[in-house]
Amino acid sequence: GAGVSQSPRYKVAKRGQDVALRCDPISGHVSLFWYQQALGQGPEFLTYFQNEAQLDKSGLPSDRFFAERPEGSVSTLKIQRTQQEDSAVYLCASSLRDMQYFGPGTRLTVL
Amino acid sequence: SQQGEEDPQALSIQEGENATMNCSYKTSINNLQWYRQNSGRGLVHLILIRSNEREKHSGRLRVTLDTSKKSSSLLITASRAADTASYFCATDASRTGANNLFFGTGTRLTVIP
Repeated sequence: GAGVSQSPRYKVAKRGQDVALRCDPISGHVSLFWYQQALGQGPEFLTYFQNEAQLDKSGLPSDRFFAERPEGSVSTLKIQRTQQEDSAVYLCASSLRDMQYFGPGTRLTVL
Repeated sequence: SQQGEEDPQALSIQEGENATMNCSYKTSINNLQWYRQNSGRGLVHLILIRSNEREKHSGRLRVTLDTSKKSSSLLITASRAADTASYFCATDASRTGANNLFFGTGTRLTVIP
């Protein structure tokens, strides 16, 4: 079956712009995660959904970051007033139990 | 901040040799997982080892876990050029059942043909 997909794959934004990153999880997967991966680093946890409920957003770096999953399937990560330090790859993962399946990521570059 | 740290940061070996990567972490865990990431691509799950397990095998992969030392190792036997990638350990230390992962900094493996 289809894996986790993310769009866009690449996004270039000017500082101060808002961006929206989309994640389509594997059908039927209850849990959805967002991670941020800076260049040369491992992914860092941002937020977690169980169905449509956002149960943990402790990793979101600031109130400019907002995530939603209104129908318990597709999720959107929104970053308002982007800053240069937001440049990173944003990874989405979904899972049914222990194992997480990752999407290819969205590479965000803020100029 | 990241839960785990991998050692070494970079490793270069000849095709056919074995590669060993180590991971240390800080808190008690539910399980530990190893992932591979090719340059510019997403993460691929390799193997999961639970906190009550000490060793696990999958094909050419062997993972050990020592919870008393809070460390794990990944051994890739008979390496191939296609194994060239970054390898990350990730711990599930959630107390809420969320299963969010804490990743290490990764080991960059280069297998020379």
